[in-house]
Amino acid sequence: EAGVTQFPSHSVIEKGQTVTLRCDPISGHDNLYWYRRVMGKEIKFLLHFVKESKQDESGMPNNRFLAERTGGTYSTLKVQPAELEDSGVYFCASSQVHPSNYGYTFGSGTRLTVV
Amino acid sequence: AQSVAQPEDQVNVAEGNPLTVKCTYSVSGNPYLFWYVQYPNRGLQFLLKYITGDNLVKGSYGFEAEFNKSQTSFHLKKPSALVSDSALYFCAVRGSISGSARQLTFGSGTQLTVLP
Repeated sequence: EAGVTQFPSHSVIEKGQTVTLRCDPISGHDNLYWYRRVMGKEIKFLLHFVKESKQDESGMPNNRFLAERTGGTYSTLKVQPAELEDSGVYFCASSQVHPSNYGYTFGSGTRLTVV
Repeated sequence: AQSVAQPEDQVNVAEGNPLTVKCTYSVSGNPYLFWYVQYPNRGLQFLLKYITGDNLVKGSYGFEAEFNKSQTSFHLKKPSALVSDSALYFCAVRGSISGSARQLTFGSGTQLTVLP
């Protein structure tokens, strides 16, 4: 089966611009998660979708971040306007059930650099 | 709030030697513990987990980890390191209580370098 796909793999944007990250989960996985790793620190939870609904968005840092999952398939994470501290690697993961006792399947991540 | 500590940013070992990557955690309720590995330009790959049962769990690529409840630790080990084990390793925990505690909480990662 295809894994979790994220694109772009890299993005370099200027402060104040908008960037949209996309995640395609494994087909049939209702649960989709966004995480990010900033400046070599820990990987932090951002939010969790169950199908098209936001189940938990307690990790979203501020209202410059908007996540959507229209139709319960792929998800987008928009940062508008981007700030320097948003630089990092954004990971997406999916699972059939939540919480999963068998780990989660992660994508390769999108490395975002804001200059 | 739950947390994970990986006290070593970098671990260097010689090929063929045993390796240990340390992890301690804090969580309410029973812990569910995971190790993930990230190779360059790849996503996070699941290595192993502890949910319940034997304290010593075995995972992919010859790795194992020991759950120690009294020390709240879950150190990753391998008896004989390979150069190909060089990667970034993340420990993660989730709680059993409802709500956000069920989301994965990761440590800051440990870069393992195995020297030939």
